[in-house]
Amino acid sequence: EAGVTQFPSHSVIEKGQTVTLRCDPISGHDNLYWYRRVMGKEIKFLLHFVKESKQDESGMPNNRFLAERTGGTYSTLKVQPAELEDSGVYFCASSQEFIGQLNSPLHFGNGTRLTVT
Amino acid sequence: AQSVAQPEDQVNVAEGNPLTVKCTYSVSGNPYLFWYVQYPNRGLQFLLKYITGDNLVKGSYGFEAEFNKSQTSFHLKKPSALVSDSALYFCAVRDSGTGANNLFFGTGTRLTVIP
Repeated sequence: EAGVTQFPSHSVIEKGQTVTLRCDPISGHDNLYWYRRVMGKEIKFLLHFVKESKQDESGMPNNRFLAERTGGTYSTLKVQPAELEDSGVYFCASSQEFIGQLNSPLHFGNGTRLTVT
Repeated sequence: AQSVAQPEDQVNVAEGNPLTVKCTYSVSGNPYLFWYVQYPNRGLQFLLKYITGDNLVKGSYGFEAEFNKSQTSFHLKKPSALVSDSALYFCAVRDSGTGANNLFFGTGTRLTVIP
């Protein structure tokens, strides 16, 4: 099966610009997660979709970040306007687990490396 | 609050020697523990998990990990390291006490296996 794919792999933008990251989960996976790793830090949870609904968005840092998953397939994460501290690697992951079943591993994409200058 | 600590940023080991990558955690309920590995320019790959049962779990590529409840640890081990094991390793936990699905990760440990 095809894995989780993310686009672009790298993005360099200037402070104040807008960037949109895309994630295509594994086909049939209802659960889609966004995570972020700032250089040298832990990988932090941003939000969780179940199909097209936001199940948990407690990790979203502020209202400059907007995630969507229209139709419950691919997801986009928009940063507008970007700030220097938004630089990092953004990972998307998907899984087929049911809510309440916490023991399934997540399948991760290769990540998008975002650099804000 | 949930958290994961990986006390070593870097671990160096000679090829053929045993390796250990340390992880400790803090959760309110029972932990679901995971190890992931990241090779250069790749995403995180699942290695192994502990949910319940036997404290020693075996995973991919000859890796294993031991769950120690009293020490709240889940160290990753391999009896004989390979150069190809050189990568970034992340420990992660889900907290069954909260019901939340998200994973909490450590800061990662870079393993270098020296030929």
